[in-house]
Amino acid sequence: DIRMTQSPSSLSASVGDRVTITCRASQNISNYLNWYQQKPGKAPKILIYAASSLQSGVPSRFSGSGSGTGFTLTISSLQPEDFANYCCQQSFSIPYTFGQGTKLEIK
Amino acid sequence: QVQLVESGGGVVQPGRSLRLSCAASGFTFSSFDMHWVRQAPGKELEWLAFISYDGSQKYYADSVKGRFTISRDNSKHTLYLQMNSLTTEDTAFYYCARDHDYIWGDYRFNWFDPWGQGTRVTVSS
Repeated sequence: DIRMTQSPSSLSASVGDRVTITCRASQNISNYLNWYQQKPGKAPKILIYAASSLQSGVPSRFSGSGSGTGFTLTISSLQPEDFANYCCQQSFSIPYTFGQGTKLEIK
Repeated sequence: QVQLVESGGGVVQPGRSLRLSCAASGFTFSSFDMHWVRQAPGKELEWLAFISYDGSQKYYADSVKGRFTISRDNSKHTLYLQMNSLTTEDTAFYYCARDHDYIWGDYRFNWFDPWGQGTRVTVSS
């Protein structure tokens, strides 16, 4: 199975900050990488698919990059509604696997 | 609008069975592959099972293979997860999710969208 490792596991930031979350795959997954946002008590919501494609309706302050084994999710200017959990997921091969998540908290 | 609604969760004793349902609306259910994903308390999301749009292909995570069965009834727009021989390790929120894809040349990218709101399964004596 492909192991997905995210860092950091938690992050404190302020409104307006630029933040970056990293996801590393245990093997080359090309750009078969998705990012989700999950708020407490809610289902995950897709933000980025295919490593860098912004899902329709997602604000442009979210962006994704990377290929192979290293990927990043960047939020250019944090808004109050962005404080949530974020996780990556590889769609290169079954079993699909997720990162352990990054909790983004208000500083 | 596109919506998935899970049901069937609850408290069950170890060794017993439970069947989850996921009712789909707002899209042509019979045209989409579907998945089950779960999240145990404080743990990461775990993909469990996949079923193709017509039910002809099924794949499972090793952690549930032989115990869980994914199925669908396209006439009822409903996805199912039959869970047998439950253990305390199966305690989690269970989500159904639609497979959404994008084809670019020879490449097919897929992701989970949307997800249902989840149903809680607690396995406890």
